[in-house]
Amino acid sequence: NAGVTQTPKFQVLKTGQSMTLQCAQDMNHNSMYWYRQDPGMGLRLIYYSASEGTTDKGEVPNGYNVSRLNKREFSLRLESAAPSQTSVYFCASRLAGAGELFFGEGSRLTVL
Amino acid sequence: GENVEQHPSTLSVQEGDSAVIKCTYSDSASNYFPWYKQELGKRPQLIIDIRSNVGEKKDQRIAVTLNKTAKHFSLHITETQPEDSAVYFCAASRDGGSQGNLIFGKGTKLSVKP
Repeated sequence: NAGVTQTPKFQVLKTGQSMTLQCAQDMNHNSMYWYRQDPGMGLRLIYYSASEGTTDKGEVPNGYNVSRLNKREFSLRLESAAPSQTSVYFCASRLAGAGELFFGEGSRLTVL
Repeated sequence: GENVEQHPSTLSVQEGDSAVIKCTYSDSASNYFPWYKQELGKRPQLIIDIRSNVGEKKDQRIAVTLNKTAKHFSLHITETQPEDSAVYFCAASRDGGSQGNLIFGKGTKLSVKP
């Protein structure tokens, strides 16, 4: 059972480049989330998808787009990367009616 | 929207002592309050949670208390051990922890000295 899988684990981009972070879960969870983690800032919610077919903005959505491709997959896209988007990105999922978030291992993104 | 404040940002204790981390939330409709532990280089993992219909919950050396009137909740770790060293995050949600968003505090780095 893999849980929540994120790819890539590491990525270096130049300012203005685009990329997509992929996330997949095999636990049949309904809700999926993207957070970013910066030193001293905790975990900030970028976007979430409460169920397949829906997406909603979190605390810091600017500069990002998401796609809930199907129940298993939730991708995060940076259309034009900026140095301020240098961060560790975590995908998470949870079952409807259950509180626990299950996190992926994280993706470390550096924008030069 | 919800805002969660967490204190202190760093906490250092001697092995065997107790540690207390406090959080306040702004949205009176919030009803689910989990705590996550993140070891260095690892993913956050749930250690305990509490819902608004309960004032206190314990799990071995860990306990969480909730004061709805004051809108604050706390994590208590007794008989701390070196393996308790990690960053701890509190969070709050208004959907009972079912589907909607979960807003985190900025974290507390706990160091337990042998």
